[in-house]
Formats: sequence, structure tokens, C-alpha cells
Amino acid sequence: KQEVTQIPAALSVPEGENLVLNCSFTDSAIYNLQWFRQDPGKGLTSLLLIQSSQREQTSGRLNASLDKSSGRSTLYIAASQPGDSATYLCAVGETSGSRLTFGEGTQLTVNP
Amino acid sequence: GAGVSQSPSNKVTEKGKDVELRCDPISGHTALYWYRQSLGQGLEFLIYFQGNSAPDKSGLPSDRFSAERTGGSVSTLTIQRTQQEDSAVYLCASSLVGVYEQYFGPGTRLTVT
Repeated sequence: KQEVTQIPAALSVPEGENLVLNCSFTDSAIYNLQWFRQDPGKGLTSLLLIQSSQREQTSGRLNASLDKSSGRSTLYIAASQPGDSATYLCAVGETSGSRLTFGEGTQLTVNP
Repeated sequence: GAGVSQSPSNKVTEKGKDVELRCDPISGHTALYWYRQSLGQGLEFLIYFQGNSAPDKSGLPSDRFSAERTGGSVSTLTIQRTQQEDSAVYLCASSLVGVYEQYFGPGTRLTVT
């Protein structure tokens, strides 16, 4: 059974800092990996999708990497802003189109 | 274009009552998913529909839970004889076949009293 772990569970940083969120998964036979953002009381917003054949994806100040063989992904946020404060979730898709298995999330606070 | 929509946004029901939750996927998305997010349990998969294939129901927690998808579009999740442990946010997502990037709706917050 796939298990997804996110470290740290919570992170507080000053505005402008670069930061890295970590995600690990136990079964490397994945189809894709998706990073989401969730604001309090809201649904999930897709940030980046990495297919299993890819090593990284970039969108603006966000960069996600994938090392399938070691079962790890990182989300790098450059020049953090207070508006980046949210819970970030990592989710692994195991077979073509199948369910996502989610980590518990990292709660990020960026202080002005 | 329009995203995934869900209704109602909030539902309060008494223990033992049946509830129906609705999901409208993004137009053209043939894959549709239901998840549940509850305190202490995180986000867990419930059921997955793709086209005309038999749904993957392996995440449904009990036989009180069922879901259908009519005409390959709108989906309804039904919970019969609700229990307090069913209280959670129920999230629906949809995706295009091939890419499988899942887009989520805002969720329905269910409270069973």
C-alpha cells in the first residue's frame, strides 16, 4: 500500500525567504505526482503535475522535482510572500488515471 | 472556463438521515473522483469513474456509501443512514484521460448531528 509522507508538518518563515517542502512515497511505481495548495475552508488548487518520466516542473516561483527511484519529491518556493501561506499537499497517482494518495500536508506561514 | 462545481456547499443532517451530494465536473473531463477530508484522517479516496468503465469503488468505507454518474457527466454521492463519523468535507475532482491532472471542486462540508 502506497504511503506518502510530508516533512515538515508546519513551517514558518519570514517574507522573501526561499524554502523547500519535502514529500516521500514508499512505492516508486507511480504514474504521476501532483502538488496542491489548500487555503483554509477551501478546495484544492493544483500547482504542479510531474509525470513519472519527468524530473521537474516549474511554474513562476515554484519548482517541483521528482526522484522516482528514491521515492522523493520536493517543492521549492522562491522569494516567499505572505500570500503563499497555505497548506501544501503532495499526492501520488499510482496507475493510469487512478486515485491519488495524499500526504498529510505542510502548513506554511510566511510572515510579513 | 468553469471549474468543478459541487452542491450544496454545506449540509447539516440528523443521524440516520440519507444525504445526496452533487458534483459537476469540468466539461469534457471523462474521469471523475470523490475524496473525503476529515480531521485526523487526511484526504482519502472514495470512488473513481472513467468513461463507461465500471467504477473503482474500492475506497468506499461501507455499503452505506454509493455513487453514480449519469450521462458521463454529473455525479451524485449518496450516504444512507448517516453516522456522526461521516462528518467531513467531501471533495470531487475531474481530469482529462491521458494527462490525469486532477482539478478539485470547493467541496461539500457535511455535518451529522
